Amino acid sequence: DQQVKQNSPSLSVQEGRISILNCDYTNSMFDYFLWYKKYPAEGPTFLISISSIKDKNEDGRFTVFLNKSAKHLSLHIVPSQPGDSAVYFCAGGGATNKLIFGTGTLLAVQP
Amino acid sequence: NAGVTQTPKFRVLKTGQSMTLLCAQDMNHEYMYWYRQDPGMGLRLIHYSVGEGTTAKGEVPDGYNVSRLKKQNFLLGLESAAPSQTSVYFCASSFRHPGGYEQYFGPGTRLTVT
Repeated sequence: DQQVKQNSPSLSVQEGRISILNCDYTNSMFDYFLWYKKYPAEGPTFLISISSIKDKNEDGRFTVFLNKSAKHLSLHIVPSQPGDSAVYFCAGGGATNKLIFGTGTLLAVQP
Repeated sequence: NAGVTQTPKFRVLKTGQSMTLLCAQDMNHEYMYWYRQDPGMGLRLIHYSVGEGTTAKGEVPDGYNVSRLKKQNFLLGLESAAPSQTSVYFCASSFRHPGGYEQYFGPGTRLTVT
């Protein structure tokens, strides 16, 4: 049972436009969600998080939206830059120390 | 402050050989993890540790063993490597803060088993 799903393996966006990466989850016990960014040959790095009691969290060009009733979260990047090209993972966390990761979405920002 | 480091960065093994991957963190984190990343599969948890001297199984533990003799180190062992263990391995560490358990990752080890 895949508790965190990223149904789009890849996404291509023009520089300056908005990138929207989506994530769905099935586990109602998640207390918070995180987005990680991964460049080739590097480890994932933390990008932004959101608590399950909030519906929006913003950090510069990055905003995460949470729709608990739909069990859906999304990451918006505005404006998109070529340096944002990477694989993005969403993850859910709960009362334990473990995170459950999605399969990732490869974002390509075209100059 | 190096964060999370992994040794080695690359390794090629023959089927049946053994090896140990070393993870070290200098952030005094209680929790450490080993993941493998395969195409289309995301990050899957192999084993994890909630403190020095403790280990626990994750989602895909078969064929791997771990040890956490020191708080800063987490070792992943393959006793008899198989081609199915060809993957990129990531170590991570975390601590508990009010927002949860944000994990910090190492740069990865690319392992090929022939």
